[in-house]
Amino acid sequence: AQKVTQAQTEISVVEKEDVTLDCVYETRDTTYYLFWYKQPPSGELVFLIRRNSFDEQNEISGRYSWNFQKSTSSFNFTITASQVVDSAVYFCALSEGDTGFQKLVFGTGTRLLVSP
Amino acid sequence: DSGVTQTPKHLITATGQRVTLRCSPRSGDLSVYWYQQSLDQGLQFLIQYYNGEERAKGNILERFSAQQFPDLHSELNLSSLELGDSALYFCASSALSQGDNEQFFGPGTRLTVL
Repeated sequence: AQKVTQAQTEISVVEKEDVTLDCVYETRDTTYYLFWYKQPPSGELVFLIRRNSFDEQNEISGRYSWNFQKSTSSFNFTITASQVVDSAVYFCALSEGDTGFQKLVFGTGTRLLVSP
Repeated sequence: DSGVTQTPKHLITATGQRVTLRCSPRSGDLSVYWYQQSLDQGLQFLIQYYNGEERAKGNILERFSAQQFPDLHSELNLSSLELGDSALYFCASSALSQGDNEQFFGPGTRLTVL
């Protein structure tokens, strides 16, 4: 069965600090996809990144970076020089590929509070 | 703006009632997904439609049903509502039904059952 664990319930940082959000996943499929979504206070879910199981390259997009390690089943998300606008709940999600269907299984989310 | 629209934004109703939530996917997307976000259960997949046909079912109650119409918009029907059905209901869409493609989420419909 597929499962996503985000052990950090809430993280508080001061602006300009770097912060890493952890995500550990479980799946029996050899083909799968990992996602990060952001849910700001306004409530919508904003897509951040998608990774497939065959691509272990780390990715950087501006202040955001993602570290995918199959050996530890982790897909961690780092925000460099955090800003107040980064305050949100961040969800890691998994989609299994072998079944052909693409439902997302979400973690419980990590609430990030960035104070000025 | 993801391009996915949902109506209404807020819905307040009483126990035992029936409501319909509506979703219009992004232009060109054939697949529609419904998710429920509640404090108890977190974000849970309910059901997926692709080009009018049901493709996958998750933890959807029998009191709930959905459909996707020929113009690709989708409706989620919730009946015999209970207090525990109060949640944020999201619709998402993607171009395909499977594989390496992301889902784009609408703003959600917040349902409050009193």
